[in-house]
Order: sequence, then C-alpha cells, then structure tokens
Amino acid sequence: QPVLTQSPSASASLGASVKLTCTLSSGHSTYAIAWHQQQPKRGPRYLLKLNRDGSLNKPDGIPDRFSGSSSGAERYLTISSLQSEDEADYYCQTWASGIQVFGAGTKLTVL
Amino acid sequence: QVQLQESGPGLVKPSETLSLTCTVSGGSIRGTTSYWGWIRQPPGKGLEWIGSMSYSGGSYYNPSLKGRVTVSLDTSKNQFSLKLSSVTAADTAIYYCARDASCSGGSCQFDYWGQGTLVTVSS
Repeated sequence: QPVLTQSPSASASLGASVKLTCTLSSGHSTYAIAWHQQQPKRGPRYLLKLNRDGSLNKPDGIPDRFSGSSSGAERYLTISSLQSEDEADYYCQTWASGIQVFGAGTKLTVL
Repeated sequence: QVQLQESGPGLVKPSETLSLTCTVSGGSIRGTTSYWGWIRQPPGKGLEWIGSMSYSGGSYYNPSLKGRVTVSLDTSKNQFSLKLSSVTAADTAIYYCARDASCSGGSCQFDYWGQGTLVTVSS
C-alpha cells in the first residue's frame, strides 16, 4: 500500500503564500491524492483532489486561494493570501484497492 | 448538500464493543456508488482510516484493526454504523464518519465529513 509523507510543520506570514508537500512512496508516484483541512477543534474539510493525469478537482465553496499541483511523486497544496483562519492541520489522503491512507499531517502556523 | 452526524456512547469500558451510528441527510445511501466510511483521530494525533462500505455490499477495513471492525448500512434510516470489538484505551479517539466519493466504482477521496464524536475507553 502507498505511504504518504508530510512535513510536521510549516509557517508563513499573513498575506503571504505557502506550499505544503505530500510525497508518495516509491512505486506509487502516479497516484491521485486529496487534501483536507482541519481547523482547531473542528472536523476535517475536503479541499481538493489531484488526479493521476495532473488535473485538479475542487468542490464548490473552496476559495480560489487554495490550489494544487504535482511533480513526480510530490503533491502540493498552495495557499495564497494567507488568512488567520488558514491556521490549521492539513492532511493528504490517497487510496488503493479499497484501502484508504492518510499522511501524518502538516500543522500550518500563520505568523 | 450532504451532511453527516455521528452519535453513540461517549464512554465505553475496556473489552466491550464500541458502537456508533452516522445519520446522513441531504442525500440517500441507497442506490449510490459511494462508500461510507469511518475515520478516527486519537487525541493530539493524526487521522486513521477504520473501514468503509458501499450500498452494493463491498466493504474494506484497515488491516491493522485485525478483524475487530464491522461497518454496516441501514438504508431504511439512511444511516450507517461502526462496531469495534474488544476495545482498549488505545481506541480512545474522536470518531468521524465520512462519504467516500467513489471513482469508477472504487474508493476515492472523502468529500463530506461529520463533526466527530469523542469516545473514551475507560473503566
């Protein structure tokens, strides 16, 4: 099964941009992934999906400030014009043969 | 808009069975290709997938839970449930239910989440 690796923490200033990384394990570099946001004391919220072909799906209601991209085995979540409410944990998720896998999460601090 | 709400006991004794229900509104469980899943989060830790089930009857479980898990659907009530047997303190967590969007009939991203319910395992 795939393994997802995320940095434990990241920080950026209010109004700036930040790029979070999720790395797929060897042999799984073409997998699709999804990004989820978990604000303090709240349940996760689905942000977007990066498909195998590199295309992006984003549900209604997710601001344009949130975008995604891929390079090799790395999947990125870019948040621009950072706001205080973007301070949260961010998890990537992938799936294979019915099994679901989450990364350990990145805690984003907005300075 | 699909909404999910977890319910069940907040305290379970060690060795007993944890039972939770997720009520779905804004959409029907019946006749969809979606999977319906459970995810948990121990205090201060990350997300761990527990298991998922589809209306067609397909089910998948986290191998690490070693056969202690059962997910079932009740289409008459538009609910799905989780049973986790032989619980220990390590099963203390916030439990979330979620919809798996299903891609081409298989698993995919979780696109709708419940707010979560804290279950503590203690005597």
